[in-house]
Amino acid sequence: GENVEQHPSTLSVQEGDSAVIKCTYSDSASNYFPWYKQELGKRPQLIIDIRSNVGEKKDQRIAVTLNKTAKHFSLHITETQPEDSAVYFCAARGYSTLTFGKGTMLLVSP
Amino acid sequence: DAGVTQSPTHLIKTRGQQVTLRCSPKSGHDTVSWYQQALGQGPQFIFQYYEEEERQRGNFPDRFSGHQFPNYSSELNVNALLLGDSALYLCASSYLGRDTEAFFGQGTRLTVV
Repeated sequence: GENVEQHPSTLSVQEGDSAVIKCTYSDSASNYFPWYKQELGKRPQLIIDIRSNVGEKKDQRIAVTLNKTAKHFSLHITETQPEDSAVYFCAARGYSTLTFGKGTMLLVSP
Repeated sequence: DAGVTQSPTHLIKTRGQQVTLRCSPKSGHDTVSWYQQALGQGPQFIFQYYEEEERQRGNFPDRFSGHQFPNYSSELNVNALLLGDSALYLCASSYLGRDTEAFFGQGTRLTVV
């Protein structure tokens, strides 16, 4: 089955800095790669996603890049704000189910 | 649109007992997937239901079973509870016929004592 590795497990940045979270996947059939943000005690919420026919997607301060050849994808957050502090999960979907990474705790200090 | 709703929000059970968790999918969605999220971990796929059938299953024992009703709502049953079953159980709904994102419910926090 699919295996998704996510790094780093914890990331601390100063407000205004950029943050990058990286994921690799194993199943070349995976074709959909969402990123979820989960605040403490709350549900995972989709923040951005990318499909395999696209190399990059941007939404305001958030961008995702995908390298299908290398089987890795990354989340980029620019101009980080304290409210960006949360756990971020990457995921990969092949057939129809999502396989998640173990998460990255992002801490943004004012 | 109420989105994906789960009940109950919190539950405490004793080892060996049985539990049933419930999920109502987002309006227009026909597929329900269940995930287990242990503390500090990413969600782990349990199984997926579509047209009242279990369509795919993750690496979980037979103690975990489910059901989908004609109105697309779903139940997750866990028998012979173990301490290790303590986790946040998340339900996600989607529409199988379209390449859509999955929407998560707020989860049920199960504590086994």
